[in-house]
Amino acid sequence: AQKITQTQPGMFVQEKEAVTLDCTYDTSDPSYGLFWYKQPSSGEMIFLIYQGSYDQQNATEGRYSLNFQKARKSANLVISASQLGDSAMYFCAMREGLTGGGNKLTFGTGTQLKVEL
Amino acid sequence: DAGVTQSPTHLIKTRGQQVTLRCSPKSGHDTVSWYQQALGQGPQFIFQYYEEEERQRGNFPDRFSGHQFPNYSSELNVNALLLGDSALYLCASSWGTGITDTQYFGPGTRLTVL
Repeated sequence: AQKITQTQPGMFVQEKEAVTLDCTYDTSDPSYGLFWYKQPSSGEMIFLIYQGSYDQQNATEGRYSLNFQKARKSANLVISASQLGDSAMYFCAMREGLTGGGNKLTFGTGTQLKVEL
Repeated sequence: DAGVTQSPTHLIKTRGQQVTLRCSPKSGHDTVSWYQQALGQGPQFIFQYYEEEERQRGNFPDRFSGHQFPNYSSELNVNALLLGDSALYLCASSWGTGITDTQYFGPGTRLTVL
């Protein structure tokens, strides 16, 4: 089974609108971390936001928020007030704490976001 | 505050050759991880170095090896290059190896094997 699943290969959003990028994960480890990264066409992976499995509240970082639903094993990224510069590939990643995952990151296949005027 | 740097930015090699990629971690970071990202895919973990030792390894053959130096910089070596090794190689650094330690990535080295 895929550890990280991103079912939206591509998304379009109008400038200034909000958009949700989906991510579901699969782990039996009670301790894990979930990350979102942005990858522009230049290639560099830019860290956006982190959510720990024991965190009680959803993580927020500026225009980015993470809709963490532990029972459903989902960690969707919400970008508010989209900007043209948000056009990029977005990756969801997980780090498992105990079951041999160590602290390597396991990535999904990504969602290509295009912000339109 | 210097971020993660990688060199070279691009590299072209032929099958059977050997290649060395270099990474300098973000200031204050002591852990370096390497990832391979094939076109259209998410990055795949190769290995991680901490205290100059390989601490964790992904599902990559022994042709992939690495090293970490006392100043925390790192090298990734790939021997006997195959066409399938063509990819973007990303280096990431963090402070420590804990589950909450965020990894920050460099711009990558794009390797083309002909």
